[in-house]
Amino acid sequence: ETGVTQTPRHLVMGMTNKKSLKCEQHLGHNAMYWYKQSAKKPLELMFVYSLEERVENNSVPSRFSPECPNSSHLFLHLHTLQPEDSALYLCASSQVGTSGGFYNEQFFGPGTRLTVL
Amino acid sequence: GQNIDQPTEMTATEGAIVQINCTYQTSGFNGLFWYQQHAGEAPTFLSYNVLDGLEEKGRFSSFLSRSKGYSYLLLKELQMKDSASYLCAVRDHNAGNNRKLIWGLGTSLAVNP
Repeated sequence: ETGVTQTPRHLVMGMTNKKSLKCEQHLGHNAMYWYKQSAKKPLELMFVYSLEERVENNSVPSRFSPECPNSSHLFLHLHTLQPEDSALYLCASSQVGTSGGFYNEQFFGPGTRLTVL
Repeated sequence: GQNIDQPTEMTATEGAIVQINCTYQTSGFNGLFWYQQHAGEAPTFLSYNVLDGLEEKGRFSSFLSRSKGYSYLLLKELQMKDSASYLCAVRDHNAGNNRKLIWGLGTSLAVNP
């Protein structure tokens, strides 16, 4: 257990569905991240939140909508997805130092395996 | 541009030593990470290097040469449970706040009895 939980662990959805992925961290960290992991591709950073403010958005399609209501919770709202969005979605958290360094040691959740039909 | 290269697959024998290499090209290097990821599980942090030299942590060691853009992860006394993917990631300080982390594709290590 890394202190980061994700639900659901598996999700199958049609292209017209709306669903949400949930992430919760119990580590007291102040930064949270969403990643997409596809076969034969490097981890792709999607969003970064620090103290509930989005600080990074890597040209992710608008059909992915993040939400960070507090420093412990992170959501990824999904709507009208495409089959190529099928992947493992990983949430991570870390502690940003006083000098503002992101991507310090990150703690990852187990991921949500998403299949879009 | 920014790029990370590591071998796709490696095999080794239980009890042996294996070295997994990572080469990188970045505009503003600010640290290199190694993560381990077992199949179907989350990546877990192994090591962090920002200065040249060797960092040892139990059976695992990580080396960095900034001038060569090169790192390796050394695994000693291999165990079957070390079969996993090993991910190299480089932090590149771009526009401040160390916002860029570039990931390699990972090296899939198979440890055989």
